[in-house]
Amino acid sequence: NAGVTQTPKFQVLKTGQSMTLQCAQDMNHEYMSWYRQDPGMGLRLIHYSVGAGITDQGEVPNGYNVSRSTTEDFPLRLLSAAPSQTSVYFCASRSGQGDQIAFFGQGTRLTVV
Amino acid sequence: GESVGLHLPTLSVQEGDNSIINCAYSNSASDYFIWYKQESGKGPQFIIDIRSNMDKRQGQRVTVLLNKTVKHLSLQIAATQPGDSAVYFCAGIQGAQKLVFGQGTRLTINP
Repeated sequence: NAGVTQTPKFQVLKTGQSMTLQCAQDMNHEYMSWYRQDPGMGLRLIHYSVGAGITDQGEVPNGYNVSRSTTEDFPLRLLSAAPSQTSVYFCASRSGQGDQIAFFGQGTRLTVV
Repeated sequence: GESVGLHLPTLSVQEGDNSIINCAYSNSASDYFIWYKQESGKGPQFIIDIRSNMDKRQGQRVTVLLNKTVKHLSLQIAATQPGDSAVYFCAGIQGAQKLVFGQGTRLTINP
């Protein structure tokens, strides 16, 4: 059971480039989320999804797009990378029923130069 | 909405002592709280959770206390060990939607 898998683990982008962070889970969870973690800021919610075809904005959605075409995958797209998007990104999933325990991936460390 | 925050960004304790990490939340309608542990270079890992209809919940060496009157919860770690060194986050959820995290407390264990 792989849980939540994020790729890549590390990425360096130039300002203005675009890229997609991948997230996949094999637990048949309905809820998936993307967070960014900056020093002293904790985890801030970027976007989340409560099921395939449904997405919504979190606290810091600007500069990011998401889609949820399948239950398993929840990619995060940076349309035009900026240095302010340098951060560690975590994807999480939870069942949405019963307990609300979220399982996290190992993170993607993104640097925008 | 919900916001959560921890009282202290860092906490140092002696090995073998008990640790208490505190957290406050803003939304009195929040009905579920979770504590996570994050080790360096890893994603957060679930420690223990508590629902708003409970005041206390115990796990292995950990206890979470919830005081709804003052909107405060705490994580107590008994007999702290070197492996407990990590950043600890509390998170709150309302209505099974967004899970919102506090800023974290870094726990350091002194030998």
